[in-house]
Amino acid sequence: EIVMTQSPATLSVSPGERATLSCRASQSVSSNLAWYQQKPGQAPRLLIYGASTRATGIPARFSGSGSGTEFTLTISSLQSEDFAVYYCQQYNNWPSLTFGGGTKVEIK
Amino acid sequence: EVQLVESGGGLVQPGRSLRLSCAASGFTFDDYAMHWVRQAPGKGLEWVSGISWNSGSIGYADSVKGRFTISRDNAKNSLYLQMNSLRAEDTALYYCAKVDTWGGGAAFDYWGQGTLVTVSS
Repeated sequence: EIVMTQSPATLSVSPGERATLSCRASQSVSSNLAWYQQKPGQAPRLLIYGASTRATGIPARFSGSGSGTEFTLTISSLQSEDFAVYYCQQYNNWPSLTFGGGTKVEIK
Repeated sequence: EVQLVESGGGLVQPGRSLRLSCAASGFTFDDYAMHWVRQAPGKGLEWVSGISWNSGSIGYADSVKGRFTISRDNAKNSLYLQMNSLRAEDTALYYCAKVDTWGGGAAFDYWGQGTLVTVSS
């Protein structure tokens, strides 16, 4: 099983600032990496797939980068609605898929 | 509009069984693989199981392998999860999720709202 490790567990950021979230895979997942946002009481929402392609309707302030084992989600200027938990997920190793443990982005 | 509606959750005793269902609409169901993802209270997301468009390729998390069985009925636009030998650690909100491919592994582009399974005596 591929283990996905996200860091930091919690990120305190002021509105308008940049947030950088990391995700590391225990072995290469190529570019088969997705990012999700989850707010309290809601289902997750797909933000990024293919490591760097924004999903439909996702604002340009969200960007993804990386390949192999190291990935980054960047939120260029945090808006109030961006405070949430973010998860990465690999889908390179079907029929085994795995999520990272999540990063909570909170207001500083 | 894509809709995924889960049902079948509830309170069940350890060792017993439960069957979850997911009714899909708004897309051509048999063109896409489908999955179950769960979230224990206050915890992160855990992939549980997935099934390809024609049921030819199936995967399970190690934590449920041998106890859970995923299936689908394309004529009914429905996905199922048969859960046997339930344990307290299976307590979670279970989401049905669609991927944008027929094969199996991909990003989850649509999610249901989940059905809660509580395993307790």
